[in-house]
Amino acid sequence: AQSVTQPDIHITVSEGASLELRCNYSYGATPYLFWYVQSPGQGLQLLLKYFSGDTLVQGIKGFEAEFKRSQSSFNLRKPSVHWSDAAEYFCAVGVGAGGYNKLIFGAGTRLAVHP
Amino acid sequence: AAGVIQSPRHLIKEKRETATLKCYPIPRHDTVYWYQQGPGQDPQFLISFYEKMQSDKGSIPDRFSAQQFSDYHSELNMSSLELGDSALYFCASSLGGQGGITDTQYFGPGTRLTVL
Repeated sequence: AQSVTQPDIHITVSEGASLELRCNYSYGATPYLFWYVQSPGQGLQLLLKYFSGDTLVQGIKGFEAEFKRSQSSFNLRKPSVHWSDAAEYFCAVGVGAGGYNKLIFGAGTRLAVHP
Repeated sequence: AAGVIQSPRHLIKEKRETATLKCYPIPRHDTVYWYQQGPGQDPQFLISFYEKMQSDKGSIPDRFSAQQFSDYHSELNMSSLELGDSALYFCASSLGGQGGITDTQYFGPGTRLTVL
């Protein structure tokens, strides 16, 4: 069955430090992978996505993610975290046939940023 | 740029009442998805529509129904509400079709439903 695992429920980093959020997926076919960010009480904002091609994808707000098929991973990185990055981050895989891809989300990682 | 619009943003209902949530997709998007996010949980897929036809179904209770109209907006109807239905309900839209890379889902701000 398709699934997404985000091993870290909470992560705390200092402002200016680097960040890596882990995501592992289980999906038989070539995955469509996404990272979304959710601020408290807000909707989900797309950070970046991977469909095919270059395995290192760039997103908004200085985030990037690397797709590693051998490890079934799609980890999110940022070289220098800002206080405004504090939020919950969800990794998701799109599953389904054709253009009808529903998203299966991981449990999320809540990021806290210390000044 | 235009985003997904959801209304209402907040809704308070009593047990056993009904509720209707509305979703207006991004212009030209033909696919709509509904997700439910309980407190402290990840979003769970409920149902989706492509070109006004149901395209996929997830863990949607029988008490819930949904449809997509000719203008592509969608409504989620919820009856016999239970306390456990209290959640944030998201609508997302995409440009579906035949599996093109344009089918990224863009989410609305959500409707927070509280059942008392």
